Amino acid sequence: DTAVSQTPKYLVTQMGNDKSIKCEQNLGHDTMYWYKQDSKKFLKIMFSYNNKELIINETVPNRFSPKSPDKAHLNLHINSLELGDSAVYFCASSRRGVGNTIYFGEGSWLTVV
Amino acid sequence: TQLLEQSPQFLSIQEGENLTVYCNSSSVFSSLQWYRQEPGEGPVLLVTVVTGGEVKKLKRLTFQFGDARKDSSLHITAAQPGDTGLYLCAGGGATNKLIFGTGTLLAVQP
Repeated sequence: DTAVSQTPKYLVTQMGNDKSIKCEQNLGHDTMYWYKQDSKKFLKIMFSYNNKELIINETVPNRFSPKSPDKAHLNLHINSLELGDSAVYFCASSRRGVGNTIYFGEGSWLTVV
Repeated sequence: TQLLEQSPQFLSIQEGENLTVYCNSSSVFSSLQWYRQEPGEGPVLLVTVVTGGEVKKLKRLTFQFGDARKDSSLHITAAQPGDTGLYLCAGGGATNKLIFGTGTLLAVQP
């Protein structure tokens, strides 16, 4: 069983469109994240939710809006897509607390054309 | 801004060789983790070190946390093609926020 699953795995879309990436974890974790990995493989946190509550919100354009309907799900909606949004987006989860193992999904490869 | 610089950025070696990857910062971290990421997959945790000077071994991989908790190293003995991947260090602080390093792409040729 996949612990952290995200869909779609690949997404090609035009500039200006709105798209969503869904994420679900079956590990019973309280904390979920969205990370962005750019073309140079640099991985940076975007958002973190703890039991449906937003606790980390890095400097991310407000075109990106995370939504957590329950603690097992954290979806990412992106409005008005731009070329620079092309990247791999990783959903992840962990137990609450510092230093715990973070489990990553397989990534969603977004290409904006 | 906390930064973690990894070196080298790229490494291509022959099977059986040894290698060391470095992860350096000017900031102090309460924990340091190492991840390996294979193509098309998410990063997978290899180890967490939390004490300055701590050394952990995972088969042929040896991880060390610097005494001042600002740097770390990963040493691989007798590398194998299966070790190929992107190695990422990540520093943890007082929150759940992890700062990832710049990454080291390792290719082990058979």
